[in-house]
Amino acid sequence: EDKVVQSPLSLVVHEGDTVTLNCSYEVTNFRSLLWYKQEKKAPTFLFMLTSSGIEKKSGRLSSILDKKELFSILNITATQTGDSAVYLCAVTPPGTASKLTFGTGTRLQVTL
Amino acid sequence: NAGVTQTPKFRILKIGQSMTLQCTQDMNHNYMYWYRQDPGMGLKLIYYSVGAGITDKGEVPNGYNVSRSTTEDFPLRLELAAPSQTSVYFCASSYAEKLFFGSGTQLSVL
Repeated sequence: EDKVVQSPLSLVVHEGDTVTLNCSYEVTNFRSLLWYKQEKKAPTFLFMLTSSGIEKKSGRLSSILDKKELFSILNITATQTGDSAVYLCAVTPPGTASKLTFGTGTRLQVTL
Repeated sequence: NAGVTQTPKFRILKIGQSMTLQCTQDMNHNYMYWYRQDPGMGLKLIYYSVGAGITDKGEVPNGYNVSRSTTEDFPLRLELAAPSQTSVYFCASSYAEKLFFGSGTQLSVL
């Protein structure tokens, strides 16, 4: 069974700190790894990673995938209270349908 | 931009009751999904559909049924509600591997 493990489970930081969220996976074969941010309701898409070693960046957020070591990290620099959320990692198996397998998420709380 | 629309947002059921969670999308996506999310857990796939008339089981299909008569609509049916089905349900559609989620239905079975 495909497995996605995220760490830490939860994290409290001060505004302005930099955080690194981890996602490791035990998936024999996958097409892509995705990161989502979930605030109060539905998850919203952040990044999709398909190639090892290529960093994706969006403002203060960035992510990279290591296919050899089977993990991905999500970095958030200069955190703000609006970054408080659950961050979900998911992998997509081969095939056409995006039947994502999700990790349990990392709950990030940014305090003033 | 409507995107993926789910109704209702909240519902309380008694054990043994049945109900249908509605989901519709206006993005003309072929692929649609139903996930459930239990407290402190990730999302688990219940059913998915790759196009009108085609559905398939996900990871946790027991106790649920779906249909896909049109590209836009993908309703989820609970026939005999059980307390184990208390959860938040998300419908989603996808394009180029990216899932777009509805706002969720919080269901309690008492």
